[in-house]
Amino acid sequence: GENVEQHPSTLSVQEGDSAVIKCTYSDSASNYFPWYKQELGKGPQLIIDIRSNVGEKKDQRIAVTLNKTAKHFSLHITETQPEDSAVYFCAAPGGAGGTSYGKLTFGQGTILTVHP
Amino acid sequence: GAGVSQSPSNKVTEKGKDVELRCDPISGHTALYWYRQSLGQGLEFLIYFQGNSAPDKSGLPSDRFSAERTGGSVSTLTIQRTQQEDSAVYLCASARQGLNQPQHFGDGTRLSIL
Repeated sequence: GENVEQHPSTLSVQEGDSAVIKCTYSDSASNYFPWYKQELGKGPQLIIDIRSNVGEKKDQRIAVTLNKTAKHFSLHITETQPEDSAVYFCAAPGGAGGTSYGKLTFGQGTILTVHP
Repeated sequence: GAGVSQSPSNKVTEKGKDVELRCDPISGHTALYWYRQSLGQGLEFLIYFQGNSAPDKSGLPSDRFSAERTGGSVSTLTIQRTQQEDSAVYLCASARQGLNQPQHFGDGTRLSIL
């Protein structure tokens, strides 16, 4: 099955700085990599995802990069704002061969704090 | 439109009691997932329903856990003879048909076993 490692576990930045969170995965057949933001008392919210046919995807201040050779992908947040403070999770399809039957394996999460 | 709805939002019960958690998926989503999130931890897959196919139950931690999805829509997760280690947030997600479709989560049920 899939194994996803996420670093760092906590990240503290000043408002306006960039934040980068990295994840590695084990199953070379995995082909879909979502990122979720979770605020206190809420469910995870999908903020961006990438499929294995591209190396980078951007959406305003958020970008995700994928390196399939090295089996890692990263979330980049530029011009951070206090409202970006939350827990961020990466994920990859679970199950044998990356075909998953739909379930996701999640990283352990990164607590991002943006100081005004 | 309406998102994934879960009820109750909080549940406190005594050890040994049975509990039922409910999930209403987004209309038109054929895939439904249950995950468990323990305090300060990531999400752990429990069970997955896709249309009329047999569910993937590979994540259920013991035979005390079961889930149903009636009519291809609403799902209930049942935990029998609850134990203190069952305390967690139980999250439901739904998605459109097809592999690797984005999963949309509800706000979960926070279960506390006394």
